[in-house]
Amino acid sequence: DTGVSQNPRHKITKRGQNVTFRCDPISEHNRLYWYRQTLGQGPEFLTYFQNEAQLEKSRLLSDRFSAERPKGSFSTLEIQRTEQGDSAMYLCASSLGGWETQYFGPGTRLLVL
Amino acid sequence: AQSVSQHNHHVILSEAASLELGCNYSYGGTVNLFWYVQYPGQHLQLLLKYFSGDPLVKGIKGFEAEFIKSKFSFNLRKPSVQWSDTAEYFCAVNAVSDNNDMRFGAGTRLTVKP
Repeated sequence: DTGVSQNPRHKITKRGQNVTFRCDPISEHNRLYWYRQTLGQGPEFLTYFQNEAQLEKSRLLSDRFSAERPKGSFSTLEIQRTEQGDSAMYLCASSLGGWETQYFGPGTRLLVL
Repeated sequence: AQSVSQHNHHVILSEAASLELGCNYSYGGTVNLFWYVQYPGQHLQLLLKYFSGDPLVKGIKGFEAEFIKSKFSFNLRKPSVQWSDTAEYFCAVNAVSDNNDMRFGAGTRLTVKP
């Protein structure tokens, strides 16, 4: 399977703990996006990278969230001091330049107890 | 601020019925428009997109959408739905010169009865 992959698929954590998610995009794609989706809502844009550069970060994104794409390939999204409100599906997508077709991964479902 | 509205939360149709799902956005500048679909148990995938040119765009599986700039709308249509079209449909907008991000609507769940 050469699509976008995300790990882990599910994560349960206690409030206050840190969590890290990984996304592996389609290999030739230079853009990588992170979204968050809660029940009954569409994906909410968090941030995106072009190669290793983080070009945009949502103003709604708390300082507890940080994302990296160190070599322009895979990316990690870390949430520090998790809160119950962080419970959601975290989606990663990749594309080949511009705001072209984004290919989504299966998501990581986070539950904060 | 830029926003995307999908008017119907849940639509139930019988097979062979025609479909129209509404999408409106609030942004006066240049936009790129998308419809994504999520079939049960699957990833989000692109149905169709509009960047420029002919405002009537055709996508996969017989879907089409029309961009009406004066109405800030990008409604999705299909003349005859099938049971396999049962899915959640999301409209998305990229404001080219503003936020430089992508905004999705809340989605419309379509159930097609066999």
